[in-house]
Amino acid sequence: NAGVTQTPKFQVLKTGQSMTLQCAQDMNHEYMSWYRQDPGMGLRLIHYSVGAGITDQGEVPNGYNVSRSTTEDFPLRLLSAAPSQTSVYFCASSLDVGGQPQHFGDGTRLSIL
Amino acid sequence: AQSVTQPDIHITVSEGASLELRCNYSYGATPYLFWYVQSPGQGLQLLLKYFSGDTLVQGIKGFEAEFKRSQSSFNLRKPSVHWSDAAEYFCAVGDISNFGNEKLTFGTGTRLTIIP
Repeated sequence: NAGVTQTPKFQVLKTGQSMTLQCAQDMNHEYMSWYRQDPGMGLRLIHYSVGAGITDQGEVPNGYNVSRSTTEDFPLRLLSAAPSQTSVYFCASSLDVGGQPQHFGDGTRLSIL
Repeated sequence: AQSVTQPDIHITVSEGASLELRCNYSYGATPYLFWYVQSPGQGLQLLLKYFSGDTLVQGIKGFEAEFKRSQSSFNLRKPSVHWSDAAEYFCAVGDISNFGNEKLTFGTGTRLTIIP
């Protein structure tokens, strides 16, 4: 049982490049979410999903897309990377009816040059 | 809009001493409240949560937190800290107006250092 798995762990991009951060969970959780963590700002919700085929925006969705074609996977896409998107990204999932994240991945550290 | 304030950026405690981490929230009704812990290089782990009922909630790793409506606080406590408790701690508040689809607002975190 791997929990929440994020790949890659580290990535460096140039401004304007696109990429996809992968997130997979093997706990059959319906609720999944993406957060970014920046120094002195805690975690901020980017996008979330309450089940396959259903996604919605969080607090800071601009510049990011998500999809949820299966229960297990919830990839986050950066369409055209900007230096302001340099951050640590966390994927999380939850089994509870409430969406509070209970299982986090170990994060992806992303640097945009 | 909901908000969370963790007034202490960094706290240093001796091993074996008691600990209290402060959290104040702003929310119009009874909130959902959470404490998470983050060890270096890792994701967050849920320590405990408060939805309703008993205002003193027990969590994992020997932590507890008390909800005080009159003070809009949800402070985290531990009677005796261990070196392994060194980490960053985040308080969060959830919007219960959209039950089943809560969005959490996190505080900026308190970094805990344990000295021998």
